[in-house]
Amino acid sequence: NAGVMQNPRHLVRRRGQEARLRCSPMKGHSHVYWYRQLPEEGLKFMVYLQKENIIDESGMPKERFSAEFPKEGPSILRIQQVVRGDSAAYFCASSPLGLPDGETQYFGPGTRLLVL
Amino acid sequence: SQQGEEDPQALSIQEGENATMNCSYKTSINNLQWYRQNSGRGLVHLILIRSNEREKHSGRLRVTLDTSKKSSSLLITASRAADTASYFCATVTSGTYKYIFGTGTRLKVLA
Repeated sequence: NAGVMQNPRHLVRRRGQEARLRCSPMKGHSHVYWYRQLPEEGLKFMVYLQKENIIDESGMPKERFSAEFPKEGPSILRIQQVVRGDSAAYFCASSPLGLPDGETQYFGPGTRLLVL
Repeated sequence: SQQGEEDPQALSIQEGENATMNCSYKTSINNLQWYRQNSGRGLVHLILIRSNEREKHSGRLRVTLDTSKKSSSLLITASRAADTASYFCATVTSGTYKYIFGTGTRLKVLA
């Protein structure tokens, strides 16, 4: 049973470009969470999605950031017109049940975004 | 200060010693979890303790939870160099959907 998969693992973008980060949850998991980690800091919640639904996006910046989890295919975190401050590690997690009923989230290896 | 603060921020010990890390939080929680993160890698789930539990063991790990003090501790016994990593606690506030992570304790175990 493959774990949570994220790609790319490393992504370099120039200021103003778009970044697309992909997350394939574990088999059987229909709940996906995205987190951002700045250097030397903990993870900050961004958004929680179920298939075709955004449940909680309270941690996601209102501008330039969007997320989706289509019926088919991976969840996508999209950052438009990237700025240097977007440089961070972006982690995806999945769970079979959603919070607050669910418990453990399983994390992917992360995508490290560097904006030049 | 934010939910889920660990202390100390950094800890350096000799192999074989025990390492204790603490986590404090602010709100009512459903459960508290500890994760390990090796440098530049993803998070590995270590242990979950529910709000009605006081202590839990897993191998060399012992976690305690004191809901009256809103705090938890992670004890790693007989540490090894391979335990060198950052350790984070994460809480889920009752009735919400998101995990709140602390800033982590960076543990270094010297061989």
